[in-house]
Amino acid sequence: DAGVIQSPRHEVTEMGQEVTLRCKPISGHDYLFWYRQTMMRGLELLIYFNNNVPIDDSGMPEDRFSAKMPNASFSTLKIQPSEPRDSAVYFCASSLNPASTDTQYFGPGTRLTVL
Amino acid sequence: DAKTTQPPSMDCAEGRAANLPCNHSTISGNEYVYWYRQIHSQGPQYIIHGLKNNETNEMASLIITEDRKSSTLILPHATLRDTAVYYCIVRVARSARQLTFGSGTQLTVLP
Repeated sequence: DAGVIQSPRHEVTEMGQEVTLRCKPISGHDYLFWYRQTMMRGLELLIYFNNNVPIDDSGMPEDRFSAKMPNASFSTLKIQPSEPRDSAVYFCASSLNPASTDTQYFGPGTRLTVL
Repeated sequence: DAKTTQPPSMDCAEGRAANLPCNHSTISGNEYVYWYRQIHSQGPQYIIHGLKNNETNEMASLIITEDRKSSTLILPHATLRDTAVYYCIVRVARSARQLTFGSGTQLTVLP
């Protein structure tokens, strides 16, 4: 099993540019989570999906952030326009249906730097 | 989810047992104790979880006090690769909700 795959691993962009982060969850997992990690705020949830449907997006900071899951094997997190305060490591995680087990498996993360 | 308290940092000699404490005095009856760790520059990794009985798997043991207000994660023979931030999380089991990470304990395994 390849685990959760994220791309790119590193992204450096300038303020105002659009940034798209990508995630491929583990095959068969019903839930997908997007987290952000900063030194100031630690790890915090942005949004999560169940069967490709967004369930809770209360953690999305503002309208500049949007997330989609067009199918069970792909999700994107988009920031438009990006700002320096968006600099962070963004993690994607997936899990099986929690009725069986709710262990979340995390990807390696995307380190985003906005200049 | 109940709040947890962990020491900010701990050291452990390689080959010795690492005992990481966690206080969760406001834990509810249906909440489990989960442990994750994050090795530098990697995503968090699940270690173990339990309700009230002690649990053991290939990675670690989890000891939960009888009143469930505190627990200890035990790495029986720590290696340098166990150097990481360890997070204790209390939540309802089999919940689709997010994991709420605190500040965790930075464990440094010394050669």
